[in-house]
Amino acid sequence: AQTVTQSQPEMSVQEAETVTLSCTYDTSESDYYLFWYKQPPSRQMILVIRQEAYKQQNATENRFSVNFQKAAKSFSLKISDSQLGDAAMYFCAYRSIEGGANSKLTFGKGITLSVRP
Amino acid sequence: DAGITQSPRHKVTETGTPVTLRCHQTENHRYMYWYRQDPGHGLRLIHYSYGVKDTDKGEVSDGYSVSRSKTEDFLLTLESATSSQTSVYFCAINSPTASTFTDTQYFGPGTRLTVL
Repeated sequence: AQTVTQSQPEMSVQEAETVTLSCTYDTSESDYYLFWYKQPPSRQMILVIRQEAYKQQNATENRFSVNFQKAAKSFSLKISDSQLGDAAMYFCAYRSIEGGANSKLTFGKGITLSVRP
Repeated sequence: DAGITQSPRHKVTETGTPVTLRCHQTENHRYMYWYRQDPGHGLRLIHYSYGVKDTDKGEVSDGYSVSRSKTEDFLLTLESATSSQTSVYFCAINSPTASTFTDTQYFGPGTRLTVL
């Protein structure tokens, strides 16, 4: 079974600075998807970014980018030019490339990010 | 916006009572999921559905049942609610994106359930 580990429960960043959130995972599969979701105080789960394991290029979405290290099974999220609205809980998630029961997401425990003005 | 709604959004109930949560989607997605979110655990899968009347268990399915009689509705039932089922419940659907066709899950707004 796959596992996802987010070892830092909390992080803090100064507004306009850059912060990196860590995530490691364990799997025996060679192809899979990885995701970062953001959960603000509204509780809504919002997709931030996704990465296909077969792509060597790191995914980027505006101020959000990932550092995907497949051999190390590491998938960190970098937030550049941090804004007050980035304050939220962030979840790392894994999904098998297969369908059916394997299409479910396996989540890490989450990390709470605070942004200092 | 993946067109997912959940009802009710908040509910307080007593131990031993049955509770049904509803997830409704408007875009004809085949796969639907129920997760629960608890502090220190992230989100964990309760049950999922891969079509009308086709459902299967997730990792924390004990005490829960589901039904899907129509494509758009996926119901989660707590047969006899217990305090350990106090949680936030999320419904999700699988959706391919326009650019990559990579299936991605989108979530409803969540239901906060308190069992006293």
